[in-house]
Amino acid sequence: KQEVTQIPAALSVPEGENLVLNCSFTDSAIYNLQWFRQDPGKGLTSLLLIQSSQREQTSGRLNASLDKSSGRSTLYIAASQPGDSATYLCAVALGGGYNKLIFGAGTRLAVHP
Amino acid sequence: NAGVMQNPRHLVRRRGQEARLRCSPVKGHSHVYWYRQLPEEGLKFMVYLQKENIIDESGMPKERFSAEFPKEGPSILRIQQVVRGDSAAYFCASSPPRQGAETQYFGPGTRLLVL
Repeated sequence: KQEVTQIPAALSVPEGENLVLNCSFTDSAIYNLQWFRQDPGKGLTSLLLIQSSQREQTSGRLNASLDKSSGRSTLYIAASQPGDSATYLCAVALGGGYNKLIFGAGTRLAVHP
Repeated sequence: NAGVMQNPRHLVRRRGQEARLRCSPVKGHSHVYWYRQLPEEGLKFMVYLQKENIIDESGMPKERFSAEFPKEGPSILRIQQVVRGDSAAYFCASSPPRQGAETQYFGPGTRLLVL
């Protein structure tokens, strides 16, 4: 049974710091891995999607890496800003013709000025 | 170009009542997923539907919960005889009709509170 774990559960940092959020999964047979952002009371916004054959994806100040063999992914946020404050969710897709996602519990990030 | 719409956004029910949650997917999307998020937890998969068919309901409780996605109209998640433990945020996501379509578009969620 696939399980996804995110560490740390919460993080509070001053503006400008570079951050690393961690995600681990128990079964390496994944179709892809996604990082989402969730703001309080809102839905999910997809940030980055890494296919199982890829090692990393980048978008602006965000970089996500994937190491399937060790069951790990990291989300790197450069030069953090208060607007980055949100919960970040990691999810793996199991494939099989559709995209059922297994989510971690998230990392709650607070970036203070 | 509307995204996924869910209504109501907030729903309050007393124990024993029924809750009906609606999801209108992105126009042209024929795949719908429902997820539930309990407080301080990640999202948990409940059910995956294509038009008029339930494909995978492995995450849905066996009793009181049902889902449908009719040929016309929104997808409905129905919870009968609600209990306090059903209080959660329920998210719907849709994806286009390509096998293995990767990107799911999430709605804003319905927050159910059972008193």
